[in-house]
Amino acid sequence: QSALTQPPSASGSPGQSVTISCTGTSSDVGGYIYVSWYQQHPGKAPKLMVYEVNKRPSGVPDRFSGSKSGNTASLTVSGLQAEDEADYYCSSYAGGNSVFGTGTRVTVL
Amino acid sequence: QVQLVESGGGVVQPGRSLRLACAASGFTFSAHGFYWVRQAPGKGLEWVAVIWYDGSKEYYRDSVKGRFTVSRDNSESTLYLQMNSLRVEDTAVYYCARDISRGVLLNWGQGALVTVSS
Repeated sequence: QSALTQPPSASGSPGQSVTISCTGTSSDVGGYIYVSWYQQHPGKAPKLMVYEVNKRPSGVPDRFSGSKSGNTASLTVSGLQAEDEADYYCSSYAGGNSVFGTGTRVTVL
Repeated sequence: QVQLVESGGGVVQPGRSLRLACAASGFTFSAHGFYWVRQAPGKGLEWVAVIWYDGSKEYYRDSVKGRFTVSRDNSESTLYLQMNSLRVEDTAVYYCARDISRGVLLNWGQGALVTVSS
């Protein structure tokens, strides 16, 4: 039940891209396609941004994209906008339940 | 539209109990599993409990096993979290979330604050 590992922070200027990594094990990230990414603004509930590695729910801009290689998943936010400043959490199915990442604060400079 | 509304949060002394409820609407409640996820002040997200669509299976994180129980009433479209023997470290905002597939949490409630303090 260990949390997945994310960098504490990431930043970029408006219009630039930022990529966040999420490292797990073969029992979670490496073993399943059910890797998700959530965005959370202060005081708000999390919002699903990417699921099954690289799918986006309806209404999520295509600036958000996901990928996975081995035990590490990544979220890329292209064309950074001010409203993208938030905390981002990855999550992976681990058989029975999902585990969350440690979270990354994205700052738009 | 899909709505999840938590209730039952509050301030409670260590060792006491509290029950959270999550009222759902806008979708077929009985077709989905649900998570309870919590977030301690200034900390990250942490899964607490999972219940299958039909209530046949439950999973708990180790720190709440034997103290917390997740349940559901499909006739009332309501999810519950019974929390017993509460500890200071259980202080958090508790969210209910709809699982659309293997832990993909599409919809979340607004959260219920549980504060455990003497």
